[in-house]
Amino acid sequence: GQNIDQPTEMTATEGAIVQINCTYQTSGFNGLFWYQQHAGEAPTFLSYNVLDGLEEKGRFSSFLSRSKGYSYLLLKELQMKDSASYLCAVMDSNYQLIWGAGTKLIIKP
Amino acid sequence: ETGVTQTPRHLVMGMTNKKSLKCEQHLGHNAMYWYKQSAKKPLELMFVYSLEERVENNSVPSRFSPECPNSSHLFLHLHTLQPEDSALYLCASSQGVRGGGTGELFFGEGSRLTVL
Repeated sequence: GQNIDQPTEMTATEGAIVQINCTYQTSGFNGLFWYQQHAGEAPTFLSYNVLDGLEEKGRFSSFLSRSKGYSYLLLKELQMKDSASYLCAVMDSNYQLIWGAGTKLIIKP
Repeated sequence: ETGVTQTPRHLVMGMTNKKSLKCEQHLGHNAMYWYKQSAKKPLELMFVYSLEERVENNSVPSRFSPECPNSSHLFLHLHTLQPEDSALYLCASSQGVRGGGTGELFFGEGSRLTVL
């Protein structure tokens, strides 16, 4: 079966750095997405990786290793507004999105 | 106008009621989706419409009935639901489906459904 694993919950301190991991086993691979979802709001797109390596976008970076079936989302200089759930999703060989259950990130002052 | 708008935001219904959820996208996209989001579970894809034609129906019970009258509007008709159907129902749109576009989804804020 197809599976996406990510931690259920993480806690970090304002101003610090946090890394949210995502591992996947899917039938084929056509890219990996990260979405952010604040409580009671719509998920919003953060990043897309289809080649190995690091993609940097401001305070957020996303890394992909296809050989390891592994990605992480790196958040730097954490702010209180970064408290949200972070969803990892992989597009399989049929272009279907397989979703993880999300990681709830709690930022403490 | 915001990108994807869903109404109502909250809905409480009995098991014998009939209600509908509405979604409207103002992004000019040609694909629309219904997802179910339950606490601590992955998003579950329910239906996909591409160019107003249903292209995917993931074994969803018949008490959920989608309708896509045009590329900007999507409905989810609800009938004789069960308490386990209580969840957040998210609508999304994209330009292209099945690799035809960037794959990025634009979501609405969801309709929180409670079935008593």
